[in-house]
Amino acid sequence: DTGVSQDPRHKITKRGQNVTFRCDPISEHNRLYWYRQTLGQGPEFLTYFQNEAQLEKSRLLSDRFSAERPKGSFSTLEIQRTEQGDSAMYLCASSLQAQNTEAFFGQGTRLTVV
Amino acid sequence: GENVEQHPSTLSVQEGDSAVIKCTYSDSASNYFPWYKQELGKRPQLIIDIRSNVGEKKDQRIAVTLNKTAKHFSLHITETQPEDSAVYFCAAIGSSYKLIFGSGTRLLVRP
Repeated sequence: DTGVSQDPRHKITKRGQNVTFRCDPISEHNRLYWYRQTLGQGPEFLTYFQNEAQLEKSRLLSDRFSAERPKGSFSTLEIQRTEQGDSAMYLCASSLQAQNTEAFFGQGTRLTVV
Repeated sequence: GENVEQHPSTLSVQEGDSAVIKCTYSDSASNYFPWYKQELGKRPQLIIDIRSNVGEKKDQRIAVTLNKTAKHFSLHITETQPEDSAVYFCAAIGSSYKLIFGSGTRLLVRP
């Protein structure tokens, strides 16, 4: 599969636990985005990377959220001390930097905090 | 900051009729405007995109128009079919190179 892959597909966790999600972008893509999507809403921008550099993080994002892309390939999104309000679909997308081309989405990780 | 607004939030049309979804953006430096279709339980997928150097682009029953002066762009679907029923998102890339989405339009095509 040469598309964007995310792991896990589903995660159920207890409130207060930490969770980490992984995204493997399309191999030649140097831009990587993380979004959060709740039912009936559009993807909400969380953060994005160009190669290994994290260029921007949403001001709405709490300090409990952190993302890395250490070698400019796969990325991880960690949520510490999860809250029920963190329950959502977390989507990753990747694209080529040049000429602002199509962003391809992964299947997402559905997080449920109980 | 960058913002993309999308209207309407829901749209119901009769099969065979046209559907139009409109978006406005705030960052005048925005230069790339994709449209995504998301079916229930699936990932968003690109259906058409337009760059700021053109005013209109067409692909079979789907077309997108861009008005840079007014900072708005629209999706037009002609001869709608039941399989067009989905949620549609507009998006824009602005000066910060981040991809910002609208809130979505739920399109229902009635047979």
